[in-house]
Amino acid sequence: GAVVSQHPSWVICKSGTSVKIECRSLDFQATTMFWYRQFPKQSLMLMATSNEGSKATYEQGVEKDKFLINHASLTLSTLTVTSAHPEDSSFYICSALIQGNEQFFGPGTRLTVL
Amino acid sequence: AQKVTQAQTEISVVEKEDVTLDCVYETRDTTYYLFWYKQPPSGELVFLIRRNSFDEQNEISGRYSWNFQKSTSSFNFTITASQVVDSAVYFCALSGPRDDKIIFGKGTRLHILP
Repeated sequence: GAVVSQHPSWVICKSGTSVKIECRSLDFQATTMFWYRQFPKQSLMLMATSNEGSKATYEQGVEKDKFLINHASLTLSTLTVTSAHPEDSSFYICSALIQGNEQFFGPGTRLTVL
Repeated sequence: AQKVTQAQTEISVVEKEDVTLDCVYETRDTTYYLFWYKQPPSGELVFLIRRNSFDEQNEISGRYSWNFQKSTSSFNFTITASQVVDSAVYFCALSGPRDDKIIFGKGTRLHILP
């Protein structure tokens, strides 16, 4: 099946710093990628839909100025958590939509903000 | 609005027992997709099955089987002869006709005891 990678797999940062997470489709092109957030022992919640070459669409309640999404190419979407705070500590998972409408998930990035 | 309900928060069974995970969904779409994912402690989502709304045939894959009943809006998952390696969180999920945004249930944490 198609492979989606995320980098880094985990990151620890100080409060107030910004963190960039990359999501790559390794063997296919994805015009659409999705970003999910999962707090400990909770479900995955969709944060935003990332479309190549256009602005991301954010779900209700997600601050677009805090979670910057850039989908600059057909194989790469990035999520930047700006001015991270401890409450942003979470597991961030991306997925990529392939033609034929199948979605493939990355392995996730665990963010810990101290 | 779309919704997925997994009423069982946590289940514990002894190895070799059969276990069924329940999933009830709500949607106004006539075309939709249903999914089951496994999330082991590593965090990476493992895709188990994708079923479209027009295919009500039950499916069996090894020790796994799925029972899709549109009349009750349910898509239940059964593990036969459970093994310790089956211990994980299992998510039922739903997406619309374009199979883009995936809405996840809250998950069922399954413990298989040796």
